[in-house]
Amino acid sequence: AIRMTQSPSSFSASTGDRVTITCRASQAVSSYLAWYQQRPGKAPNLLIYAASTLQSGVPSRFSGSGSGTDFTLTISYLQSEDFATYYCQQYYSYPYTFGQGTKLEIK
Amino acid sequence: QVQLVQSGSELKKPGASVKVSCKASGYTFTDDAMHWVRQAPGQGLEWMGWINTNTGNPTYAQGFTGRSVFSLDTSVSTAYLQISSLKAEDTAVYYCARVQPDGAGGYYFDYWGQGTLVTVSA
Repeated sequence: AIRMTQSPSSFSASTGDRVTITCRASQAVSSYLAWYQQRPGKAPNLLIYAASTLQSGVPSRFSGSGSGTDFTLTISYLQSEDFATYYCQQYYSYPYTFGQGTKLEIK
Repeated sequence: QVQLVQSGSELKKPGASVKVSCKASGYTFTDDAMHWVRQAPGQGLEWMGWINTNTGNPTYAQGFTGRSVFSLDTSVSTAYLQISSLKAEDTAVYYCARVQPDGAGGYYFDYWGQGTLVTVSA
């Protein structure tokens, strides 16, 4: 199985900050990479697919980049509703695998 | 609008079985495969497998074969997850998730059910 490793695992930031979360795959996944946001007690919500395509309805302050094994999710101007846990996921091959999550907390 | 509505929380004793439902609306149910994802308390997301909503053919991830069964009732646009011989370590939130093609041959999860908490306790 392809292992997905996110960094950092947790992070404190302030509203208005620019933050970047990284995701590394144990083998190349081309651009078959998605990012999800999960708020406490809620289902994951799709932000980005195909590594850099913004899902309809997702604010433009979210962006994704990368291909192969290294990917990033950037939030350009943190809003209060962005404090949540973020997961990357590869859909290049079965079994689909997720990163361990990055918890973004208010500083 | 697309919606996936799952059945409510369950409290089961070890050794019992549970069946979780996922009712789809807002699209043609048989057009898109349905996947299942598990999230243990305080933990990350774990892919369990998927079912082809056209043929009913299931595919299970390693670790979910044997006690987990995916099924469908296409007449009511509903997917099911049944887990038998429940153990305490099956305690988790179970999600159904629809996949969509990304235009490059891959399929990502675009809509998720709200989740069903299954608690296994004596």
